[in-house]
Amino acid sequence: NAGVTQTPKFQVLKTGQSMTLQCAQDMNHEYMSWYRQDPGMGLRLIHYSVGAGITDQGEVPNGYNVSRSTTEDFPLRLLSAAPSQTSVYFCASSYSREVLRDGYTFGSGTRLTVV
Amino acid sequence: QQQVKQSPQSLIVQKGGISIINCAYENTAFDYFPWYQQFPGKGPALLIAIRPDVSEKKEGRFTISFNKSAKQFSLHIMDSQPGDSATYFCAASLQETSGSRLTFGEGTQLTVNP
Repeated sequence: NAGVTQTPKFQVLKTGQSMTLQCAQDMNHEYMSWYRQDPGMGLRLIHYSVGAGITDQGEVPNGYNVSRSTTEDFPLRLLSAAPSQTSVYFCASSYSREVLRDGYTFGSGTRLTVV
Repeated sequence: QQQVKQSPQSLIVQKGGISIINCAYENTAFDYFPWYQQFPGKGPALLIAIRPDVSEKKEGRFTISFNKSAKQFSLHIMDSQPGDSATYFCAASLQETSGSRLTFGEGTQLTVNP
């Protein structure tokens, strides 16, 4: 099925642990991004990529790393998890020339708890 | 620094009523204003979007009203149904950056009672 696939769906980490949230899309979208969703704060952009090999910081990049070695994949790495990173993480992609018509396609999210 | 402010935070409407959600933005360079709908356990999905060269856009029961001079836009849901119960996000972006930096409002949790 075409779309954005995020894994895992749920994760509990201890403070200081590292992990990678996976995101893959099969729509040949150029643009991919990571958002975190917190109550009362909407969705905030962490990092984004406009194509393979190109990444840039969003609104809240601290504590997160990304890379984009292929068009399909855009993993998000937490190097040393902190309780403040407890959140729901969404990956989104778009075909930039059609973003006005089609919008962003979001994954179903990863709910991360850091204890 | 919240560049897009959304209100109300929550809204309860009776079936058949009109739901109205408002957003205000600061950056006058924004030129693309979408609304996203999110059901529990799902990612947001595009509902409707508008460019600032029009004052209103309607798709079925959903209408965006846009006031460029006031830097405000709103979503109206006519004949609200229980199936419309969801969280709604307004957003804004700059098309010059390929729509790559959507800035979202805080979200409105809509409940439509039967």
